[in-house]
Amino acid sequence: DIQMTQSPSSLSASVGDRVTITCRASQGISNYLAWYQQRPGKVPKLLIDAASTLQSGVPSRFSGTGSGTDFTLTISSLQPEDVATYYCQKYDNSDPFTFGPGTKVDIK
Amino acid sequence: QVQLVESGGGVVQPGRSLRLSCAASGFSITSYGMHWVRQAPGKGLEWLTVISSDGNTKFYTDSVKGRFTISKDISQNTLFLEMDSLKPEDTAVYYCAKDDHNRGYDYWGQGTLVTVSS
Repeated sequence: DIQMTQSPSSLSASVGDRVTITCRASQGISNYLAWYQQRPGKVPKLLIDAASTLQSGVPSRFSGTGSGTDFTLTISSLQPEDVATYYCQKYDNSDPFTFGPGTKVDIK
Repeated sequence: QVQLVESGGGVVQPGRSLRLSCAASGFSITSYGMHWVRQAPGKGLEWLTVISSDGNTKFYTDSVKGRFTISKDISQNTLFLEMDSLKPEDTAVYYCAKDDHNRGYDYWGQGTLVTVSS
């Protein structure tokens, strides 16, 4: 099975900071990667699919890049409402549809 | 509008069974893959299983293979998760999710809590 890792596991940054989260697949998955945001006590929300396609309604400060095994989620200017745990997930049709372990983002 | 509503969670003893339902509205489950995902208390998301739009293909993660069964009733537009031989480590919030044609999960249910405890 393809394993998904994320780094860091948590981070604390100031409002306005640029934040970057990395997701790595143990084997190539082309661009079959999604990013989700889960605010505390809430249901996960799809932010980005196909590694870089922003979902409708998601603020443009969020962006995704990558292909193959290495992917990044960037928040260009961290806002208080971005406090959440962020998960990557592969969906390349080779089961399972594994999630990364998550990255918890807090405000400093 | 699209809505997914899970039900069937509760407290169950180890070794017993439970059936979760996910009632879909605003779209037909015959047109999309449907998944179950769970989240143990304070832990991350764990993908469990998927059923294809035509119902002919199902995949399971290793930890539930042979114990959990995904199915759907197209007349009710409802997804099910039959969980047998439950273990304490199956305690989690269980979510159903709609697969946007292999582009991630664009809709999630609100989740239903399953607690496995004697």
